[in-house]
Amino acid sequence: QKEVEQDPGPLSVPEGAIVSLNCTYSNSAFQYFMWYRQYSRKGPELLMYTYSSGNKEDGRFTAQVDKSSKYISLFIRDSQPSDSATYLCAMSTPTTSGTYKYIFGTGTRLKVLA
Amino acid sequence: DAGVTQSPTHLIKTRGQQVTLRCSPKSGHDTVSWYQQALGQGPQFIFQYYEEEERQRGNFPDRFSGHQFPNYSSELNVNALLLGDSALYLCASSLRGGNEQYFGPGTRLTVT
Repeated sequence: QKEVEQDPGPLSVPEGAIVSLNCTYSNSAFQYFMWYRQYSRKGPELLMYTYSSGNKEDGRFTAQVDKSSKYISLFIRDSQPSDSATYLCAMSTPTTSGTYKYIFGTGTRLKVLA
Repeated sequence: DAGVTQSPTHLIKTRGQQVTLRCSPKSGHDTVSWYQQALGQGPQFIFQYYEEEERQRGNFPDRFSGHQFPNYSSELNVNALLLGDSALYLCASSLRGGNEQYFGPGTRLTVT
């Protein structure tokens, strides 16, 4: 079993729809949860960063973490064609060297249709 | 504020050759991590450098090696290239003790 599971999609939605992207994980040591957006042939861009269970909102984006279920979500409101990209979830845990170990999901490809 | 930069952008090498990729971290960051991203996959962790030492290593063979310089920039070296090494190589920087990683644009390596 992979430490982080993410549906690769593709997910196609009409412009203006609410998008829900999800990841599950198996390692209860993960403490920090991130969402990255990656456009084709570009580096990932950090969108959201959360620590505790609950919701965090930033503009049209809401990140949700449920540690008891080992489940995280990213919601995109009023989706736009420019949101079309691959969305990667990532999780981290501290290491003995004082840094962090990061694990990424495989990414979900999203296409927002105009 | 300069973000993470990587060079070169693209590279084509032949099997058996050696390659060196370079990364400059975001201003103020002291920790550099390298990832390999195959097409349609998420980034796979190669290793992480802090204070010029390798602090963590993923499940990659010794053909993959690195270095960090006093100015925090870093190099990734891959020896005896295989076709399977073709991928996007990403560099990410962060502050040690800080948890937010920022990625560069990547170097696309093609091995023929």
